[in-house]
Amino acid sequence: GDSVTQMEGPVTLSEEAFLTINCTYTATGYPSLFWYVQYPGEGLQLLLKATKADDKGSNKGFEATYRKETTSFHLEKGSVQVSDSAVYFCARHSGGGADGLTFGKGTHLIIQP
Amino acid sequence: EAGVAQSPRYKIIEKRQSVAFWCNPISGHATLYWYQQILGQGPKLLIQFQNNGVVDDSQLPKDRFSAERLKGVDSTLKIQPAKLEDSAVYLCASSRDRGRGETQYFGPGTRLLVL
Repeated sequence: GDSVTQMEGPVTLSEEAFLTINCTYTATGYPSLFWYVQYPGEGLQLLLKATKADDKGSNKGFEATYRKETTSFHLEKGSVQVSDSAVYFCARHSGGGADGLTFGKGTHLIIQP
Repeated sequence: EAGVAQSPRYKIIEKRQSVAFWCNPISGHATLYWYQQILGQGPKLLIQFQNNGVVDDSQLPKDRFSAERLKGVDSTLKIQPAKLEDSAVYLCASSRDRGRGETQYFGPGTRLLVL
C-alpha cells in the first residue's frame, strides 16, 4: 500500500545550522505531498505543500521540492532557530478515490542555542 | 476564524468500557476526517466524511468503532468496547472540500488512555 518514510529522530542541531529532513513516498499515482509540524503542546499545523512534480513549497524559511524521479520531498531550512524545535511529519495524499493523508512516523527536531 | 474543536481533551477508561469523542469542524468545511495517532507514530486515517456521507472507512475497526456526522457538521467517534491497544490520540481534521490539494486543518486531539 501507500507509505511515507522519513528519517528517524531525534535530530539535534545547533542554532543557525542547515537542516535537512529526508522524506520518500511510494510512487502510486501522483499524490500531493505535505509537511506538517507539531510544536510542543500544540496540534498539527500545515507547514507547506506541493501538488505536482517540480513544485516547491515554502513557508517560514522552510522549503521542499516535489521530486518525482526520486519519489522524495525533503524538508530544508538554511538557518534553524530554537523556535523550530518540534516534530515534523511528511505526508502524502492517499488517492484511490479518498482524500485521507498517509503520514510518516515523524522526526523530532531539537535545536540547541 | 475558529479552528477545529474537539472534546474532551483527555479521557481515561478501563478496558471493555465505552467512550465517545466529539468534533466540530471549521465552519463551512464539507469534509471531515478522524485519525488515530499511536505514540511514536504518524496519524492513521480511520474515516472520512463528505457532508453527512461516508467516503472511506476502510481502516475503521467496525467491530468496535463507529462514527457519525448526522447533520453534516459535528461528528462523534465511539469505541465500544475499548481495548488496551486503543490508547492513542484521536485527531479530527476538516477541509473545505474533497481533493488531492486541499489542506486539512487539525484539531488539538483527544488523548485516550485505556487501563
